[in-house]
Amino acid sequence: QVQLQESGPGLVKPSETLSLTCVVSGYSISSGYSWGWIRQPPGKGLEWIGTFSHSVSTHYNPSLKSRVTISPHTSRNQFSLKLNSVTAADTAVFYCVRVIGGNYFDNWGQGTLVTVSS
Amino acid sequence: QSALTQPASVSGSPGQSITISCTGTSSDVGNYNLVSWYQQNPGKAPKLMIYDGNKRPSGVSHRFSGSKSGNTASLTISGLQAEDEADYYCCSYAGSNILIFGGGTKLTVL
Repeated sequence: QVQLQESGPGLVKPSETLSLTCVVSGYSISSGYSWGWIRQPPGKGLEWIGTFSHSVSTHYNPSLKSRVTISPHTSRNQFSLKLNSVTAADTAVFYCVRVIGGNYFDNWGQGTLVTVSS
Repeated sequence: QSALTQPASVSGSPGQSITISCTGTSSDVGNYNLVSWYQQNPGKAPKLMIYDGNKRPSGVSHRFSGSKSGNTASLTISGLQAEDEADYYCCSYAGSNILIFGGGTKLTVL
């Protein structure tokens, strides 16, 4: 059974970089499928951040593309998210996900709340 | 790309059927049969309910079904139960490896 677990700081200062890691167990991220990140501001809807797979390149939400980097760390069966120049509007619960067919999410982490505040 | 349009809320009584709409454009929902639906309970991660427009993952009740007409996808829940009360989100492929979500719909079981 595939399990995903997000980890990282729960508080980030404005203008700094938000960094999160997703640890995957039960499946090797280098074996196939795609993997990605989704966020949800408190009380609001879901927003796709980006997706990567080893056979293709990484794809990002156009509205975040200039600030986002998603990277695989195959040896540790993890992948990461970096979001630069954060503001209060980036405060959200961040979920890491497995992506099937490049278009739907069948496994989700429990989510981690990141607050942007000084 | 703009978010897909969903009603903010829908409601129904136990045993009834309800439908949640998800309206996009000819560039996303209308151009691909790649809409997925997610159920989210308070404080929990979303759960996949429908993928590829009308397919159910193993373990999801047959009471949940998906369909599409033109630029609008729909999620229908038949035989409504109290446990179905949750937020529901649609998501569509929009070309160029981009995915967009709907704003979400709160389902209340009366």
